[in-house]
Amino acid sequence: QITLKESGPTLVKPTQTLTLTCSFSGFSLTTSGVGVGWIRQPPGKALEWLALLYWDDDKRYNPSLKSRLTITKDTSKSQVVLTMTNMDPLDTATYYCGHKPFIRGAMLFDPWGQGTQVTVSS
Amino acid sequence: SSELTQDPAVSVALGQTVTITCQGDSLRAYSANWYQKKPGQAPIVVIFGKNNRPSGIPDRFSGSSSGNPASLTITGAQAEDEADYYCTSRDYNANPLFGGGTKLTVL
Repeated sequence: QITLKESGPTLVKPTQTLTLTCSFSGFSLTTSGVGVGWIRQPPGKALEWLALLYWDDDKRYNPSLKSRLTITKDTSKSQVVLTMTNMDPLDTATYYCGHKPFIRGAMLFDPWGQGTQVTVSS
Repeated sequence: SSELTQDPAVSVALGQTVTITCQGDSLRAYSANWYQKKPGQAPIVVIFGKNNRPSGIPDRFSGSSSGNPASLTITGAQAEDEADYYCTSRDYNANPLFGGGTKLTVL
């Protein structure tokens, strides 16, 4: 059974850097084709993909946020870390991580973690 | 363009059939997947690839996920199907794409 869980601060101040950790079990990030992604949902708004890290350390970022994002992995700890710099109140959202399986022809995340709420406020 | 477009809201009478659509240039080349998102819960996949349904998803959910537009059909909608539905796919750079979501109301 694959599970993921996000952790990190619930409150950050504007201009600070957010660091979120996705701890997972039930799969390995050394398996060919597998990845872990981050997605967020601001209150009342749509889901927004942020970043994706593959087993071979291929890293993908949402072009509109690329300059602020860094995604890394610690395979030994089964963790993926996302950092987002220069946080703004508009970054207030629930942040999710998701497992990207290797399914030929399908770009999807399944399952997802429960999500972690992040509020940006002074 | 690297966008997926969905109608913001759709409604359906209980027990009737509803189709939710997703438009985007990349859908001409890549299949769509569909998520169901309820408040306070993580999204779950209801359809992926070429009309594949994960285990546990009722067979009233079906998809036409190849071509533009892609669509999700719920045949005999139930009250518990009231949720936001998101289509996803990929762009030509192999990056994920998310639609803006469709709020489904079951009347």
